[in-house]
Amino acid sequence: RKEVEQDPGPFNVPEGATVAFNCTYSNSASQSFFWYRQDCRKEPKLLMSVYSSGNEDGRFTAQLNRASQYISLLIRDSKLSDSATYLCVVNGRQTGANNLFFGTGTRLTVIP
Amino acid sequence: DTAVSQTPKYLVTQMGNDKSIKCEQNLGHDTMYWYKQDSKKFLKIMFSYNNKELIINETVPNRFSPKSPDKAHLNLHINSLELGDSAVYFCASSPFEGEQFFGPGTRLTVL
Repeated sequence: RKEVEQDPGPFNVPEGATVAFNCTYSNSASQSFFWYRQDCRKEPKLLMSVYSSGNEDGRFTAQLNRASQYISLLIRDSKLSDSATYLCVVNGRQTGANNLFFGTGTRLTVIP
Repeated sequence: DTAVSQTPKYLVTQMGNDKSIKCEQNLGHDTMYWYKQDSKKFLKIMFSYNNKELIINETVPNRFSPKSPDKAHLNLHINSLELGDSAVYFCASSPFEGEQFFGPGTRLTVL
């Protein structure tokens, strides 16, 4: 079983739409959770960390459900510039190091 | 200012050759990483160094050898390149348990 599983998409949504991505993780001992964004032929960049209480950054809201080992990302009022691949990332904590496991990513295309 | 830099950006080489990719970070981070992103875009950690000490070594062929001459550099040497080594290799750095910052990637093509 993969450490992190995501729906690869693609998600094609019109500008202004609300879109939600989900992912599940297998290691119940995981402590840190993130969403990274990767543009085409670019490096991944941190979008936001995900906290147990849920957190919001502008149009982006992240939620964590530890009991279900489930992480979500909600994007409201989608912009063309939101088109990218969104990577769900979990700290494995198996070696005590900052060992991040990446999902395969969910591709989002926002259409004019 | 470039935070994490890699050279070269593109590398095209023949099977059987030996090649190196260099990585440097100017963020003062203690930990550096090498990741491989394959054609299916799956990003997987290969190695991690903390203060020049190897702390993560995933199941990677021993043809791949990381070398950290100092805290700011982590180079990746690959011997006897194979077709399956074609991928994008990303270097990253972080404070020990903080956000990881990625370099721009090195696109390796083995012919």
